[in-house]
Amino acid sequence: KAGVTQTPRYLIKTRGQQVTLSCSPISGHRSVSWYQQTPGQGLQFLFEYFSETQRNKGNFPGRFSGRQFSNSRSEMNVSTLELGDSALYLCASSQGQNNEKLFFGSGTQLSVL
Amino acid sequence: GESVGLHLPTLSVQEGDNSIINCAYSNSASDYFIWYKQESGKGPQFIIDIRSNMDKRQGQRVTVLLNKTVKHLSLQIAATQPGDSAVYFCAENMGDDKIIFGKGTRLHILP
Repeated sequence: KAGVTQTPRYLIKTRGQQVTLSCSPISGHRSVSWYQQTPGQGLQFLFEYFSETQRNKGNFPGRFSGRQFSNSRSEMNVSTLELGDSALYLCASSQGQNNEKLFFGSGTQLSVL
Repeated sequence: GESVGLHLPTLSVQEGDNSIINCAYSNSASDYFIWYKQESGKGPQFIIDIRSNMDKRQGQRVTVLLNKTVKHLSLQIAATQPGDSAVYFCAENMGDDKIIFGKGTRLHILP
Protein backbone atom coordinates (compact mmCIF):
# COMPACT_ATOMS: atom_id res chain seq x y z
CA LYS A 1 0.00 0.00 0.00
CA ALA A 2 1.19 3.50 -0.70
CA GLY A 3 1.72 5.67 2.36
CA VAL A 4 0.16 9.02 3.16
CA THR A 5 0.96 11.47 0.39
CA GLN A 6 1.13 15.21 0.93
CA THR A 7 1.52 17.82 -1.77
CA PRO A 8 3.26 20.07 -2.31
CA ARG A 9 6.40 19.20 -0.34
CA TYR A 10 7.57 22.81 -0.10
CA LEU A 11 5.70 26.07 -0.50
CA ILE A 12 6.73 29.72 -0.28
CA LYS A 13 4.05 32.37 0.11
CA THR A 14 3.87 36.01 1.13
CA ARG A 15 1.84 37.56 3.90
CA GLY A 16 -1.81 38.00 3.06
CA GLN A 17 -1.93 35.21 0.50
CA GLN A 18 -3.84 31.99 0.96
CA VAL A 19 -2.68 28.43 0.54
CA THR A 20 -4.22 25.00 0.02
CA LEU A 21 -2.45 21.83 1.09
CA SER A 22 -3.45 18.37 -0.04
CA CYS A 23 -3.35 14.98 1.66
CA SER A 24 -4.09 11.53 0.26
CA PRO A 25 -4.52 8.98 3.04
CA ILE A 26 -3.59 5.33 2.92
CA SER A 27 -6.12 3.39 0.88
CA GLY A 28 -8.96 2.26 3.13
CA HIS A 29 -8.26 4.81 5.85
CA ARG A 30 -11.23 7.02 6.57
CA SER A 31 -9.85 9.35 9.22
CA VAL A 32 -7.52 12.22 8.37
CA SER A 33 -5.93 14.52 10.94
CA TRP A 34 -3.85 17.64 10.39
CA TYR A 35 -1.08 18.96 12.63
CA GLN A 36 1.12 22.03 12.58
CA GLN A 37 4.71 21.48 13.64
CA THR A 38 7.06 24.30 14.66
CA PRO A 39 10.32 24.21 16.64
CA GLY A 40 8.84 26.23 19.45
CA GLN A 41 5.38 24.69 19.82
CA GLY A 42 5.93 21.12 18.66
CA LEU A 43 3.04 19.23 17.06
CA GLN A 44 -0.24 21.07 17.45
CA PHE A 45 -3.56 19.53 16.50
CA LEU A 46 -5.48 21.43 13.82
CA PHE A 47 -8.50 19.27 12.98
CA GLU A 48 -9.65 15.78 12.19
CA TYR A 49 -12.09 14.46 9.62
CA PHE A 50 -13.90 11.16 9.43
CA SER A 51 -16.22 10.28 6.57
CA GLU A 52 -16.25 13.88 5.31
CA THR A 53 -17.25 15.28 8.73
CA GLN A 54 -15.04 17.36 10.98
CA ARG A 55 -15.02 15.51 14.29
CA ASN A 56 -12.48 17.49 16.26
CA LYS A 57 -10.90 20.90 16.03
CA GLY A 58 -7.86 22.39 17.73
CA ASN A 59 -7.33 25.93 18.98
CA PHE A 60 -6.51 27.67 15.74
CA PRO A 61 -8.16 30.78 14.28
CA GLY A 62 -10.84 30.54 11.62
CA ARG A 63 -8.24 31.30 8.95
CA PHE A 64 -7.42 27.61 9.16
CA SER A 65 -10.00 25.38 7.56
CA GLY A 66 -10.21 21.96 6.02
CA ARG A 67 -12.39 19.49 4.29
CA GLN A 68 -12.53 15.85 3.36
CA PHE A 69 -13.82 14.39 0.16
CA SER A 70 -15.81 11.21 -0.44
CA ASN A 71 -12.61 9.36 -1.38
CA SER A 72 -11.14 10.34 2.02
CA ARG A 73 -8.62 12.75 0.47
CA SER A 74 -8.36 15.93 2.49
CA GLU A 75 -7.33 19.52 1.96
CA MET A 76 -6.54 22.26 4.41
CA ASN A 77 -6.64 25.93 3.63
CA VAL A 78 -5.00 28.86 5.36
CA SER A 79 -6.21 32.31 4.37
CA THR A 80 -4.60 35.70 4.99
CA LEU A 81 -1.23 34.14 5.75
CA GLU A 82 0.86 35.52 8.60
CA LEU A 83 4.59 35.12 9.21
CA GLY A 84 3.79 32.90 12.18
CA ASP A 85 2.06 30.39 9.93
CA SER A 86 5.46 29.23 8.70
CA ALA A 87 5.62 25.62 9.76
CA LEU A 88 5.62 22.00 8.70
CA TYR A 89 2.03 20.86 8.15
CA LEU A 90 1.56 17.17 8.71
CA CYS A 91 -1.32 15.01 7.68
CA ALA A 92 -2.02 11.64 9.27
CA SER A 93 -4.52 8.94 8.45
CA SER A 94 -5.92 6.05 10.44
CA GLN A 95 -8.21 3.20 9.59
CA GLY A 96 -10.89 3.68 12.21
CA GLN A 97 -12.41 6.61 13.96
CA ASN A 98 -10.55 6.10 17.23
CA ASN A 99 -7.30 7.25 15.61
CA GLU A 100 -5.16 4.45 16.90
CA LYS A 101 -1.88 4.18 15.01
CA LEU A 102 -1.72 7.37 13.03
CA PHE A 103 0.25 7.10 9.79
CA PHE A 104 1.90 10.38 8.86
CA GLY A 105 2.95 11.85 5.57
CA SER A 106 6.26 13.69 5.19
CA GLY A 107 4.52 17.03 5.46
CA THR A 108 4.34 20.29 3.56
CA GLN A 109 6.94 22.86 4.61
CA LEU A 110 5.29 26.26 4.35
CA SER A 111 7.38 29.42 4.48
CA VAL A 112 5.60 32.75 4.71
CA LEU A 113 7.73 35.76 3.75
CA GLY B 1 3.24 16.88 27.08
CA GLU B 2 6.65 15.92 28.24
CA SER B 3 8.25 19.31 28.40
CA VAL B 4 7.54 22.95 28.92
CA GLY B 5 9.24 25.96 27.41
CA LEU B 6 10.64 26.49 23.97
CA HIS B 7 13.64 24.17 23.92
CA LEU B 8 13.52 20.57 22.86
CA PRO B 9 15.03 18.40 25.60
CA THR B 10 17.92 16.28 24.48
CA LEU B 11 19.01 12.90 25.75
CA SER B 12 22.50 11.68 24.86
CA VAL B 13 23.12 7.97 25.18
CA GLN B 14 26.12 5.80 24.44
CA GLU B 15 25.59 3.32 21.63
CA GLY B 16 24.66 -0.03 23.13
CA ASP B 17 23.27 1.43 26.35
CA ASN B 18 19.58 1.57 27.22
CA SER B 19 17.63 4.79 26.69
CA ILE B 20 14.76 6.01 28.83
CA ILE B 21 12.59 8.83 27.54
CA ASN B 22 10.01 10.30 29.90
CA CYS B 23 6.72 12.05 29.36
CA ALA B 24 4.14 13.63 31.65
CA TYR B 25 0.63 13.66 30.23
CA SER B 26 -2.07 16.09 31.10
CA ASN B 27 -5.50 14.46 31.11
CA SER B 28 -6.61 11.94 33.73
CA ALA B 29 -9.36 10.83 31.35
CA SER B 30 -6.89 9.84 28.62
CA ASP B 31 -7.26 6.15 27.91
CA TYR B 32 -4.73 5.47 25.21
CA PHE B 33 -1.10 6.49 24.86
CA ILE B 34 1.30 6.24 21.98
CA TRP B 35 4.98 6.82 21.29
CA TYR B 36 6.11 8.14 17.93
CA LYS B 37 9.57 8.53 16.42
CA GLN B 38 10.38 11.30 13.99
CA GLU B 39 13.52 11.20 11.89
CA SER B 40 14.82 14.24 10.09
CA GLY B 41 12.75 15.13 7.04
CA LYS B 42 10.03 12.61 7.79
CA GLY B 43 6.69 12.53 9.55
CA PRO B 44 6.32 10.81 12.92
CA GLN B 45 6.23 7.02 12.86
CA PHE B 46 4.29 4.82 15.29
CA ILE B 47 6.50 2.85 17.71
CA ILE B 48 4.32 1.37 20.42
CA ASP B 49 1.07 2.04 22.27
CA ILE B 50 -0.53 1.21 25.60
CA ARG B 51 -4.04 1.40 26.99
CA SER B 52 -4.85 2.81 30.39
CA ASN B 53 -5.78 -0.63 31.76
CA MET B 54 -2.16 -1.73 31.40
CA ASP B 55 1.01 -0.52 33.08
CA LYS B 56 3.61 -2.11 30.81
CA ARG B 57 3.84 -3.23 27.23
CA GLN B 58 6.82 -4.62 25.36
CA GLY B 59 7.72 -4.54 21.72
CA GLN B 60 10.87 -5.31 19.82
CA ARG B 61 13.65 -3.57 21.81
CA VAL B 62 11.11 -1.09 23.20
CA THR B 63 9.05 -1.07 26.38
CA VAL B 64 6.44 1.46 27.40
CA LEU B 65 5.59 1.99 31.08
CA LEU B 66 2.48 3.80 32.28
CA ASN B 67 2.02 5.20 35.77
CA LYS B 68 -1.51 6.57 35.99
CA THR B 69 -1.08 7.70 39.59
CA VAL B 70 1.41 10.38 38.62
CA LYS B 71 0.35 10.63 34.96
CA HIS B 72 3.73 9.54 33.69
CA LEU B 73 4.71 7.60 30.60
CA SER B 74 8.14 6.33 29.65
CA LEU B 75 9.73 4.70 26.65
CA GLN B 76 12.67 2.38 27.15
CA ILE B 77 14.86 1.46 24.20
CA ALA B 78 17.21 -1.45 24.76
CA ALA B 79 20.71 -1.57 23.26
CA THR B 80 20.41 1.82 21.57
CA GLN B 81 21.65 1.91 17.98
CA PRO B 82 22.65 4.81 15.69
CA GLY B 83 19.36 4.35 13.81
CA ASP B 84 17.50 5.26 16.99
CA SER B 85 18.63 8.88 16.63
CA ALA B 86 15.42 10.85 16.26
CA VAL B 87 12.91 12.98 18.10
CA TYR B 88 10.51 10.95 20.22
CA PHE B 89 7.00 12.13 21.01
CA CYS B 90 4.50 10.80 23.44
CA ALA B 91 0.85 11.28 22.53
CA GLU B 92 -2.45 10.76 24.31
CA ASN B 93 -6.01 10.15 23.25
CA MET B 94 -7.89 12.77 25.24
CA GLY B 95 -10.97 10.54 25.33
CA ASP B 96 -12.61 12.07 22.28
CA ASP B 97 -10.24 10.44 19.78
CA LYS B 98 -8.28 13.69 19.50
CA ILE B 99 -4.61 12.73 19.66
CA ILE B 100 -2.47 15.35 21.39
CA PHE B 101 1.32 15.25 21.23
CA GLY B 102 3.95 16.27 23.74
CA LYS B 103 6.79 18.55 22.67
CA GLY B 104 9.31 15.80 22.01
CA THR B 105 12.71 14.65 23.18
CA ARG B 106 15.70 14.48 20.86
CA LEU B 107 17.69 11.27 21.31
CA HIS B 108 21.34 11.64 20.39
CA ILE B 109 23.50 8.52 20.12
CA LEU B 110 27.14 8.82 21.12
CA PRO B 111 29.60 6.53 19.28
